[in-house]
Amino acid sequence: KQEVTQIPAALSVPEGENLVLNCSFTDSAIYNLQWFRQDPGKGLTSLLLIQSSQREQTSGRLNASLDKSSGRSTLYIAASQPGDSATYLCAVEETSGSRLTFGEGTQLTVNP
Amino acid sequence: KAGVTQTPRYLIKTRGQQVTLSCSPISGHRSVSWYQQTPGQGLQFLFEYFSETQRNKGNFPGRFSGRQFSNSRSEMNVSTLELGDSALYLCASSLLVASSGANVLTFGAGSRLTVL
Repeated sequence: KQEVTQIPAALSVPEGENLVLNCSFTDSAIYNLQWFRQDPGKGLTSLLLIQSSQREQTSGRLNASLDKSSGRSTLYIAASQPGDSATYLCAVEETSGSRLTFGEGTQLTVNP
Repeated sequence: KAGVTQTPRYLIKTRGQQVTLSCSPISGHRSVSWYQQTPGQGLQFLFEYFSETQRNKGNFPGRFSGRQFSNSRSEMNVSTLELGDSALYLCASSLLVASSGANVLTFGAGSRLTVL
């Protein structure tokens, strides 16, 4: 059974700092991995999707990497801003379809 | 273009009652999936529907059921509510990108259910 773990559970940083969020998964036979953002009381917003054949994806200040062999992904946020404060979730999809296995999330606070 | 719409956004029920939640997907999306989010268990997959057929099902008791209509709108129903059913229920619609094979999900804002 696939298990997804995110470290750290919570992170507080000053504005402007670069930071890395970690995600690990137990079964490397994944179809793709996605990073989502969730604001309090809201739904999920997709940030980046990395297919199993890819090593990384970039969008603006966000960069996500994927190492299937080691079962790890990282989300790098450059020059963090208070508006980046949210919970970040990673999720793996094992076969083509919309069933995702989520990690518990990292709650990020960026202080002005 | 309109996003995924979930109704109601908030509701309060008592133990033993039943509840029906609705999800309207993005126009053109034929797949709808449901997730339950709780502080203790995180996000857990409930079920997925495609073209009115349940294609995947998570590990939830039979009290949890769903269906999809011909216009792709979906409903989920929870019968005989328990305190532990209090959660944020999220619906996502998806579109398979043929060129890449990637399944891009768009989530709604969720329906927050409180069971007293």
